[in-house]
Amino acid sequence: QVQLQESGPGLVKSSETLSLTCTVSGDSISTYYWSWIRQPPGKGLEWIGYIFYTGSTNYNPSLKSRVTISVDTSKNQFSLKLTSVTAADTAVYYCARGGTELGIGYWGQGTLVSVSS
Amino acid sequence: QTVVTQEPSFSVSPGGTVTLTCGLSSGSVSTSYYPSWYQQTPGQAPRMLIYRTNTRSSGVPDRFSGSILGNKAALTITGAQADDESDYYCVLYMGSGIWVFGGGTKLTVL
Repeated sequence: QVQLQESGPGLVKSSETLSLTCTVSGDSISTYYWSWIRQPPGKGLEWIGYIFYTGSTNYNPSLKSRVTISVDTSKNQFSLKLTSVTAADTAVYYCARGGTELGIGYWGQGTLVSVSS
Repeated sequence: QTVVTQEPSFSVSPGGTVTLTCGLSSGSVSTSYYPSWYQQTPGQAPRMLIYRTNTRSSGVPDRFSGSILGNKAALTITGAQADDESDYYCVLYMGSGIWVFGGGTKLTVL
């Protein structure tokens, strides 16, 4: 059974960097593509980007200048960094397995990150 | 930037059939967009229902089906049940490794 768990600070100050890690269990990270997706409170889903275990990435063009997704195969983890955050970045952040035509089949429970001024 | 469009809300009677759609602000959706569909209830992570236009994810009842209808991707729920009341999202592949979610449809069963 594939499980994903997000971890990281639930509160980030405006203009600082949001950092989250996703730990994968029940599957090797050296197989599929792995994504980050977010959902502002009361709003819809937004794809942030994905990474393959080789380190190859693709990002949402609207976030590309601020986003970095990385992978640590030795820990079976992948991570998200989002710089220069504002209140608009307040959201539930999900890590997930997917990023291809096979869809996004497994999701973490999500973690709420609030940006404070 | 192309926007993925969905009906903001829809309602269906218990036992009825409903078709939700996923379109583009410019152009037509085809299988090359690899549409997938997700169901989300409040406070929960989304659950994949359909991928690659019409392939049901493991464990998804066959009353959920996906297709291309005209110039849009479609999710049809046949024999709607009370616990189908959820938000439904589609996501499309735009090329160059870019995926875009639709704004979601809030489905009410009443």
